Amino acid sequence: QKEVEQDPGPLSVPEGAIVSLNCTYSNSAFQYFMWYRQYSRKGPELLMYTYSSGNKEDGRFTAQVDKSSKYISLFIRDSQPSDSATYLCATTTSGTYKYIFGTGTRLKVLA
Amino acid sequence: GAGVSQSPSNKVTEKGKDVELRCDPISGHTALYWYRQRLGQGLEFLIYFQGNSAPDKSGLPSDRFSAERTGESVSTLTIQRTQQEDSAVYLCASSLDQNQPQHFGDGTRLSIL
Repeated sequence: QKEVEQDPGPLSVPEGAIVSLNCTYSNSAFQYFMWYRQYSRKGPELLMYTYSSGNKEDGRFTAQVDKSSKYISLFIRDSQPSDSATYLCATTTSGTYKYIFGTGTRLKVLA
Repeated sequence: GAGVSQSPSNKVTEKGKDVELRCDPISGHTALYWYRQRLGQGLEFLIYFQGNSAPDKSGLPSDRFSAERTGESVSTLTIQRTQQEDSAVYLCASSLDQNQPQHFGDGTRLSIL
């Protein structure tokens, strides 16, 4: 079993839709949770950085962590064609720098 | 402000050749990381540098891989006697310190013929 599981997609949605991207993880020691966006032939760009459980909002993006279910989500409101990219979740334990990444979900927002 | 800069952006070489990849971290970032991204797979940790401390090389896949960093500046990742399975995107990241989020460069796309 992989430490972080993520559906590869592709996920296609119409412009303006609410998008839900999800990851599950296996290690209950994970405490920091990140979402990165990666455009084709570019490096991952940090979108959200959260600690422990709860929600964090930044503009159209909301990150949600449910440690009891070992489930993390990224919601994108009012999705735009420019949101079309691969979204990577990542996690790590406290006091370590080795991020464990999911394989990424490819999102397509159709105009 | 400048982000993490990597060069070259693309590298094509023949099997058996040595390659050197370069990373310029964000100014002031003491921590530097190298990852490998293979098609359809998650990013794979290779090596970590923090200031003048001994690097964590635990992710390097074989002794053909090595990396250096001078102080808190440029790092180079060297792959000797390249093999076809080394074909991947090599990503560099930096952070203010090990407890801060990592910021990535655009990577070097390495193709071994």
